[in-house]
Amino acid sequence: DARVTQTPRHKVTEMGQEVTMRCQPILGHNTVFWYRQTMMQGLELLAYFRNRAPLDDSGMPKDRFSAEMPDATLATLKIQPSEPRDSAVYFCASGFEAGEAFFGQGTRLTVV
Amino acid sequence: GENVEQHPSTLSVQEGDSAVIKCTYSDSASNYFPWYKQELGKRPQLIIDIRSNVGEKKDQRIAVTLNKTAKHFSLHITETQPEDSAVYFCAASRVGGADGLTFGKGTHLIIQP
Repeated sequence: DARVTQTPRHKVTEMGQEVTMRCQPILGHNTVFWYRQTMMQGLELLAYFRNRAPLDDSGMPKDRFSAEMPDATLATLKIQPSEPRDSAVYFCASGFEAGEAFFGQGTRLTVV
Repeated sequence: GENVEQHPSTLSVQEGDSAVIKCTYSDSASNYFPWYKQELGKRPQLIIDIRSNVGEKKDQRIAVTLNKTAKHFSLHITETQPEDSAVYFCAASRVGGADGLTFGKGTHLIIQP
């Protein structure tokens, strides 16, 4: 049963620290998404990659967030410096160009 | 960009009754409309999807309808069961486009025993 794998599952960090979240997409998928989920805003798209190239990162605060795909098996989302308002669940999803997106289990981030 | 509105935000139905969740979208170029179910503390899971070349799709107790003219699509769950209790999200996208899936705000479905 192929699944998107995210690490870590939980992260508690102090304000100002760097946070790195990792995602292993399903083998063979060519699209990768990063979403942030909060009660107030729901599921917000942060970044979207196709064939490892960034297509849309307009939803991402550029001053502190960055997303990369160093290779086809790894996507990363970094926050530097982190702030309490970044506390949320961050989901990675992967799929094909046909549109489907399959979500990982998420990283629950708490910034204190 | 795309904007997806979802209603209602909360829906309570008696076990065995039907539930309907409705979404509207703004971008007429959108052509892919999935529905996700998210249980508490879990990941969103794709339960059914529909593309703009069809008007309806069924999978056992769930069905989705699409009205392209009105830019409206709906999820129908029949014979609801306690395990259907969850948050349901609709989404829209243009396949091959530069935008990812745009999600509605979600509907909390409560099945009353």
